[in-house]
Amino acid sequence: QVQLVQSGAEVKTPGASVKVSCGASGYTFTDYNIHWVRQAPGQGLEWMGWINVNSRGTNLAEKFQGRVTMTRATSINTAYMELTKLTSDDTAVYYCARVGLTTPWYFDLWGRGTLVTVSS
Amino acid sequence: EIVLTQSPGTLSLSPGERATLSCRASQSVTNNYLAWYQQKPGQAPRLLIYDASSRATGVPDRFSGSGSGTDFTLTISRLEPEDFAVFYCQQYGRSPITFGQGTRLEIK
Repeated sequence: QVQLVQSGAEVKTPGASVKVSCGASGYTFTDYNIHWVRQAPGQGLEWMGWINVNSRGTNLAEKFQGRVTMTRATSINTAYMELTKLTSDDTAVYYCARVGLTTPWYFDLWGRGTLVTVSS
Repeated sequence: EIVLTQSPGTLSLSPGERATLSCRASQSVTNNYLAWYQQKPGQAPRLLIYDASSRATGVPDRFSGSGSGTDFTLTISRLEPEDFAVFYCQQYGRSPITFGQGTRLEIK
């Protein structure tokens, strides 16, 4: 089954960091790049950036530069997104989504999301 | 960045009716790289339409997309009970990728 399997919900205190994983199955991991999108409670979708799973290069939305690191482990078909210096504004569901290597950046497959709650 | 404005915010219709959702961009969308997603409560978004008018795999043909430049439309020809959800447009013609704020389609 083609899917992206994300890690479980996290509860963090302000100032902490969180690392979310996104495991690919049912397709060749290196045939698609991984993007990250988040959604605050009751709000819309916000694009965070993407990682080229072959080159490891990343491109982040400006507001996340300096706080987000995207990595991948091709041996286990998994991508990661780490967000540091958490505040309550970072409480959201974090999704990973795939994009074909040579296709425009629409997301044809999404993970089910990881809820990150930031609370003291 | 390109700002996408969706209208209406909420659309109340009955099953069997036709739904028309709008997405307007603050600048022309390069190559009409505009997608539509459906999101139900507690679920991830689902791709419906890409490149403004191409239907994604497995999407029923009652869903159609149209438009170009700055004005785009998602049409659902005859609403089924399972169609009621929140719909988002997304532009991917220019970085950063941006999404509209969503249109909630609710049962009247």
